[in-house]
Amino acid sequence: GEDVEQSLFLSVREGDSSVINCTYTDSSSTYLYWYKQEPGAGLQLLTYIFSNMDMKQDQRLTVLLNKKDKHLSLRIADTQTGDSAIYFCADYPVSSYKLIFGSGTRLLVRP
Amino acid sequence: GAVVSQHPSWVICKSGTSVKIECRSLDFQATTMFWYRQFPKQSLMLMATSNEGSKATYEQGVEKDKFLINHASLTLSTLTVTSAHPEDSSFYICSARERGARSEQFFGPGTRLTVL
Repeated sequence: GEDVEQSLFLSVREGDSSVINCTYTDSSSTYLYWYKQEPGAGLQLLTYIFSNMDMKQDQRLTVLLNKKDKHLSLRIADTQTGDSAIYFCADYPVSSYKLIFGSGTRLLVRP
Repeated sequence: GAVVSQHPSWVICKSGTSVKIECRSLDFQATTMFWYRQFPKQSLMLMATSNEGSKATYEQGVEKDKFLINHASLTLSTLTVTSAHPEDSSFYICSARERGARSEQFFGPGTRLTVL
């Protein structure tokens, strides 16, 4: 079945770049999303990439997609303490038309 | 734009009582709404998908008689946890998809349910 995996934890120093990785299994993916969740809150859509794209840049965020390896990454440039949160990648395959979430990566930004 | 609200944001109830959670799309018409459940430090688990004016579609393993979903209008869906038990304590998040939208879902802020 569909599966999305992420590393659980990432710690970076303020000002450095953060790279959060994600792998998925469904080859019928259309869109892939990155969401941010702060403590006790819902999910905020950060960015998304269409499956026929390799890269998408949006201000400090860069999304890279390797469709062959089914690997997605989110790079946050100049990471700030306000970026500390849980980041979820999500797949949207046509096989199910449902968002399939990864387990989330907890990003901790150290001053 | 694309704001989704949930009410209440948190609720504490006694075991055996029922609790209703509302999900509203404030500035768009949501033909489809989704209900998720999130346990501490875990990912979101899709519980059910509701389309306006029709019965909800529940995911495998989700008891439809326990988690009643109603999507009576294009801006409101409700989740009622019936005869709640402590194991139903969780963070419930709804999302809404706009009419004609490809896949993008807008998420509500979540409701934390604690059953004593």
